[in-house]
Amino acid sequence: GAGVSQSPSNKVTEKGKDVELRCDPISGHTALYWYRQSLGQGLEFLIYFQGNSAPDKSGLPSDRFSAERTGGSVSTLTIQRTQQEDSAVYLCASSLAAGLHTDTQYFGPGTRLTVL
Amino acid sequence: GQQVMQIPQYQHVQEGEDFTTYCNSSTTLSNIQWYKQRPGGHPVFLIQLVKSGEVKKQKRLTFQFGEAKKNSSLHITATQTTDVGTYFCAGRPGTSYDKVIFGPGTSLSVIP
Repeated sequence: GAGVSQSPSNKVTEKGKDVELRCDPISGHTALYWYRQSLGQGLEFLIYFQGNSAPDKSGLPSDRFSAERTGGSVSTLTIQRTQQEDSAVYLCASSLAAGLHTDTQYFGPGTRLTVL
Repeated sequence: GQQVMQIPQYQHVQEGEDFTTYCNSSTTLSNIQWYKQRPGGHPVFLIQLVKSGEVKKQKRLTFQFGEAKKNSSLHITATQTTDVGTYFCAGRPGTSYDKVIFGPGTSLSVIP
C-alpha cells in the first residue's frame, strides 16, 4: 500500500552541475506528472506520461530539462547545467489512468532542490 | 490554450467565518478535482465531481460543479485553523486523454 515516493528528499547542488530526481509511482498507475513549485507559488506543470503514448513535454521550461519513464513505472527528471532559478520543490504525482473517473492524482512528498 | 483560473488568490478570514473559492475554465471540463495543500506539505486529493450541477459535501466543505461544466466552487462553513492551506482545483478538458490542468490555487489563512 505504498504511495508515491520521491528521492532524494533534498538536493543541494552547485550551479552548472547536473541533477537527477526520481519518482516511484503507485504500482499500476499509468499516468504520471511532474510539477515544479516555487515557494508560495502554484503548481507549474512540467511533463505528463500516459501509458505508452508520447509524453506531453509542453511544460518543460528549457532544453536543460528532460524526463524518462522506464517500463511504465519509475520516472527520472534530469536537469542539466543547473541554474539558481531551478531551485524549487519538484513534485511527482501518479493517477490510475487518464479518464473521467481515474484522474485522482496522488502526490509524492517532493524533492527540494537548492542550486547554490 | 486551455486555462483554469481561481479566485481569489488569497483570502484571510476570522475563525468561524465562511470561505468560498471559485474555479473557472476556458473550456468545458469532463471532471473537476479539488486538492488541499497544507503549508510545507504536498497536495492531497479532496474530492472529484463529474456530473453537471453536481453538489457534494464533506462535513463543513461543500463542492459544486457548474451546469455548463466550466466552473466549480468550494465553500467552507465556519472555518477552523485546521482549514489553513492552499486549495487547488484541477480538471480534464473535454473528453481527451490529455493532461489534467491545475488552477493556480487559493491560499486561505484563518485568524484565530
